[in-house]
Amino acid sequence: DTAVSQTPKYLVTQMGNDKSIKCEQNLGHDTMYWYKQDSKKFLKIMFSYNNKELIINETVPNRFSPKSPDKAHLNLHINSLELGDSAVYFCASSPHGTGDNEKLFFGSGTQLSVL
Amino acid sequence: DAKTTQPTSMDCAEGRAANLPCNHSTISGNEYVYWYRQIHSQGPQYIIHGLKNNETNEMASLIITEDRKSSTLILPHATLRDTAVYYCIVRTGRRALTFGSGTRLQVQP
Repeated sequence: DTAVSQTPKYLVTQMGNDKSIKCEQNLGHDTMYWYKQDSKKFLKIMFSYNNKELIINETVPNRFSPKSPDKAHLNLHINSLELGDSAVYFCASSPHGTGDNEKLFFGSGTQLSVL
Repeated sequence: DAKTTQPTSMDCAEGRAANLPCNHSTISGNEYVYWYRQIHSQGPQYIIHGLKNNETNEMASLIITEDRKSSTLILPHATLRDTAVYYCIVRTGRRALTFGSGTRLQVQP
């Protein structure tokens, strides 16, 4: 069983469209994250949710809206897609989120290409 | 979180130990040193972490200097599957994990 799974793996879409990426974890963790890896391969935190509550929002445009229906799911909805949104998006989870011994478990990524 | 400095790339022969250095001279007393790696096209994978003492697990060993200003990740017997980008990160529990540019390790047959 995949611990952190995200769908779809690949997403190709036109500028201006709205799209969603889904993430689910079966580890029983309290905290989930979205990271973005751009073409230069830098991994940047976007959002973090703890028990369905937003705890980190790193100056991400408000076209990006995370939604956590329960603590096992964190979906990422993107409105009015732009060329610069093309990247690989990684979902991750960790047991608590704020402990000093937190290990993050990452999904396999969603490659978003905006044409 | 303290900034880390790692070599851009390193090579290692298969079967030999890979020693990956990391400088974190501005680390504060409550910051842990974490190592993750990212194999091509996959999500990052946790390897090991520590505060002051040296640590070992089934994947690697972590050696932290006494002044905590630098550390070394040791893969004792590198295999081709260990080819990846290795990230050294220092953080406290209150902050999200922040990745730098890492070290690209190429294990040669």
